Amino acid sequence: QSALTQPASVSGSRGQSITISCTGTSNDVGGYTYVAWYQQFSGKAPKLVIYDVNNRPSGVSNRFSGSKSGNTATLTISGLQTEDEADYFCSAYNIRGILLFGGGTKLTVL
Amino acid sequence: QVQLQESGPGLVKASETLSLTCTVSGGSMKNYYWNWIRQTPWKGLEWMGNLFYSGNPNHNPSLGSRISLSIDESKKQFHLKLSTVSAADTAVYYCARSRNVLFRYGVDVWGQGTTVAV
Repeated sequence: QSALTQPASVSGSRGQSITISCTGTSNDVGGYTYVAWYQQFSGKAPKLVIYDVNNRPSGVSNRFSGSKSGNTATLTISGLQTEDEADYFCSAYNIRGILLFGGGTKLTVL
Repeated sequence: QVQLQESGPGLVKASETLSLTCTVSGGSMKNYYWNWIRQTPWKGLEWMGNLFYSGNPNHNPSLGSRISLSIDESKKQFHLKLSTVSAADTAVYYCARSRNVLFRYGVDVWGQGTTVAV
C-alpha cells in the first residue's frame, strides 16, 4: 500500500478535462507545497509534469495544472488528447525527510 | 541536456549485494541531489535515498542499514549498494536528479531504468 492515495484509474473523452487526486497527511501533502506529478508511459521512465504543487517545467503543456487543498493535491488535464493516455504518479516530501509516492493512476482517453 | 544511465547486473542472487552505477552526462553533478528510486508492480515507486554532490547521504528508513550510497564526482557517477537482497528487491531501478533537499522542484531528470531480478 502506497503512502499517498490515488485512484487506480480515471477516464475521459478527448477534449474533456479530468482530475486525479493524491491524498496524504499533514506530514506530507498538507504540510508542504512540495507536491509533484509525473507522467509515465509503459516501459518508460517517469517524466515530471508539475512541481511545487502548480508549476510546470519548461516544455510541459499548459493543459497540465495542479492544485492543493488540505491534505489532497489534484492534477488537472484539460483538453484531453489521446497522447495523454499514461500512468500518473504524485510525490510529496514527508516530515521524516523522505520522498513519498502515490500508487499511480491509469488514465484512459476514450 | 543532462542524461542519466544506470548500469549493473540484471540478476543478483538472494542474500548477496546489489550494486548499480549511474553515469551522468551532458551536465554537472554540482549543486544537485542524486537519487535512487525503484518501481515494482505491487509496491509502485519507492524512493530509496539520495546524496548531495558533495556527499551527505540520506536514505529511506524502510531499507535500514542495507543501503549504501556513494558518489564519484570526478567520474560523474554515483552508486547504489543494497545488501542481503531478497525476491522483494526485484524491481526496475532508476537513478534520478533533484534540485532541492525538500524536493521542491520534484525529480526532474530520470535514467531509463534498469531491471534487477533477485
